[in-house]
Amino acid sequence: DQQVKQNSPSLSVQEGRISILNCDYTNSMFDYFLWYKKYPAEGPTFLISISSIKDKNEDGRFTVFLNKSAKHLSLHIVPSQPGDSAVYFCAARGDYKLSFGAGTTVTVRA
Amino acid sequence: GAVVSQHPSRVICKSGTSVKIECRSLDFQATTMFWYRQFPKQSLMLMATSNEGSKATYEQGVEKDKFLINHASLTLSTLTVTSAHPEDSSFYICSAYRDRGPETQYFGPGTRLLVL
Repeated sequence: DQQVKQNSPSLSVQEGRISILNCDYTNSMFDYFLWYKKYPAEGPTFLISISSIKDKNEDGRFTVFLNKSAKHLSLHIVPSQPGDSAVYFCAARGDYKLSFGAGTTVTVRA
Repeated sequence: GAVVSQHPSRVICKSGTSVKIECRSLDFQATTMFWYRQFPKQSLMLMATSNEGSKATYEQGVEKDKFLINHASLTLSTLTVTSAHPEDSSFYICSAYRDRGPETQYFGPGTRLLVL
């Protein structure tokens, strides 16, 4: 039972343009949503989070938007840089546990 | 920042042997740690919640006798894969819980297990 879904397995974007990653969830009891960046054979690195009572959170080049009615969130990265190439995981927190999406592989083209 | 280490980073073992993976929180105390596994190109799946001084809580479908968890101190949790088989080959990641800010779980670098 996948409670967090990332339906796009991959995304290719040109350097300097915007990357938009999407995530859907089913459990309305999640209280926080987080985005992680991950390289192969490494642990996830926290990027940004948003509380379920907010609809937007911004940190530098990263902005997360939350649409609770649609149970949807997105991560915007602008401008995209070559170093952003990695796998991005959406996660939702409920009862202190994290449920992860399947990840989206982002490739930033020079 | 909060630092979590894992040891070993990679391990290769023969089928039928047991492998122990350590997870340490280096600069904070963690009463709760989590163990995940990740298959290639798939999500991180929570296996169990490790609680200091008490029994671990396993997720549905995870065999507690297969994956032994011990959380003997506030900075160390161990995962032992008993009688390992090739299908146990995976990437195992731990995290330590710290109730400070929204991040709350700090991840280790992971352990690659290959069972031959």
